[in-house]
Amino acid sequence: KQEVTQIPAALSVPEGENLVLNCSFTDSAIYNLQWFRQDPGKGLTSLLLIQSSQREQTSGRLNASLDKSSGRSTLYIAASQPGDSATYLCAVVRGKLIFGQGTTLQVKP
Amino acid sequence: EAQVTQNPRYLITVTGKKLTVTCSQNMNHEYMSWYRQDPGLGLRQIYYSMNVEVTDKGDVPEGYKVSRKEKRNFPLILESPSPNQTSLYFCASSTIADTEAFFGQGTRLTVV
Repeated sequence: KQEVTQIPAALSVPEGENLVLNCSFTDSAIYNLQWFRQDPGKGLTSLLLIQSSQREQTSGRLNASLDKSSGRSTLYIAASQPGDSATYLCAVVRGKLIFGQGTTLQVKP
Repeated sequence: EAQVTQNPRYLITVTGKKLTVTCSQNMNHEYMSWYRQDPGLGLRQIYYSMNVEVTDKGDVPEGYKVSRKEKRNFPLILESPSPNQTSLYFCASSTIADTEAFFGQGTRLTVV
């Protein structure tokens, strides 16, 4: 059974810091991996989708990597801003999305 | 604007009173699904639909029904809601299964 883990559960950093969010999964037989952002009281916003054949994907200040063999993905956020404060969720994609519990990020001004 | 629209956003109802949460997407996506989000349990799939008239159970389908009569719409039906169905519900769509998923804004349901 696929299990997805995100560590840490919460993270607080000063503005401007570069940071890395971690996502690990137990079964490497995935099609894709998708990162989302969830703001309080709002829906999930898709940030990046990494296909299983890719090693990384970039969008603006965000860079996501995927290592299927080790069952890991990381989301790198460069030059963090207070507006980046949110919960970040990763989901492995194989017939359905299997989500981690998320990392709640607070970026302090 | 490409989007997934859910209604209502908030709903308080009583045990046993049938309700429907609507979901509509304007991206011509074939694959649609419903998830519920609960503290400590995360997001779990309720039902999914590969295309019109094709639906199947996800991980937590008990107490729910769905239908897919049109490509753009995928309503979630609670025939007899119970308090354990109090949750935050999300509808999602993607071009086909296993491609990038787009989520609605969520429906916060409280059953008393």
